[in-house]
Amino acid sequence: DAGVTQSPTHLIKTRGQHVTLRCSPISGHKSVSWYQQVLGQGPQFIFQYYEKEERGRGNFPDRFSARQFPNYSSELNVNALLLGDSALYLCASSYTGAKETQYFGPGTRLLVL
Amino acid sequence: RKEVEQDPGPFNVPEGATVAFNCTYSNSASQSFFWYRQDCRKEPKLLMSVYSSGNEDGRFTAQLNRASQYISLLIRDSKLSDSATYLCVVNRGDYKLSFGAGTTVTVRA
Repeated sequence: DAGVTQSPTHLIKTRGQHVTLRCSPISGHKSVSWYQQVLGQGPQFIFQYYEKEERGRGNFPDRFSARQFPNYSSELNVNALLLGDSALYLCASSYTGAKETQYFGPGTRLLVL
Repeated sequence: RKEVEQDPGPFNVPEGATVAFNCTYSNSASQSFFWYRQDCRKEPKLLMSVYSSGNEDGRFTAQLNRASQYISLLIRDSKLSDSATYLCVVNRGDYKLSFGAGTTVTVRA
């Protein structure tokens, strides 16, 4: 079975632009979480979606938004990009998103110039 | 105070050595605990879950001390392939995983 997939793998944008990142969870998983990892730090929670509903949101500005589709795939959108948004964006999937194990995709590496 | 704190290391050890490190968590209501491994520029991968009674998986042993709110990981007979960053992860029982910044381990020949 395929694991979590993310696209694109790498992306270069300039300040002020917007970006859309995509994630497909493991087959059978209904929950997708998004994390941001800047260099030298652990991943920071951005959002979790379960059954197309936002279940939780981390301490990120409203420039960050997400949604989940009926097939459980998900998009993360970031508007008005800042240099500080440069990071590895990780998607994780799990059955319900509660306290069980989450499995991570390979991430999208975003560079904002 | 950060939710999860780890000694960043690095721990530089020779092959065959034993290395151990801890992390502490601040929320006493935390319910699930994990160690993830992250190789350079790759995604985190689950190494092992951590249970109250402690658990072992091959050369890796994890312990949980709820009273003192710390988790430990011990690696025996270190291999070159164990070189990585080890992330301590805590779940409060809701949807959010809280990660430490990671402990870097380098195993040298």
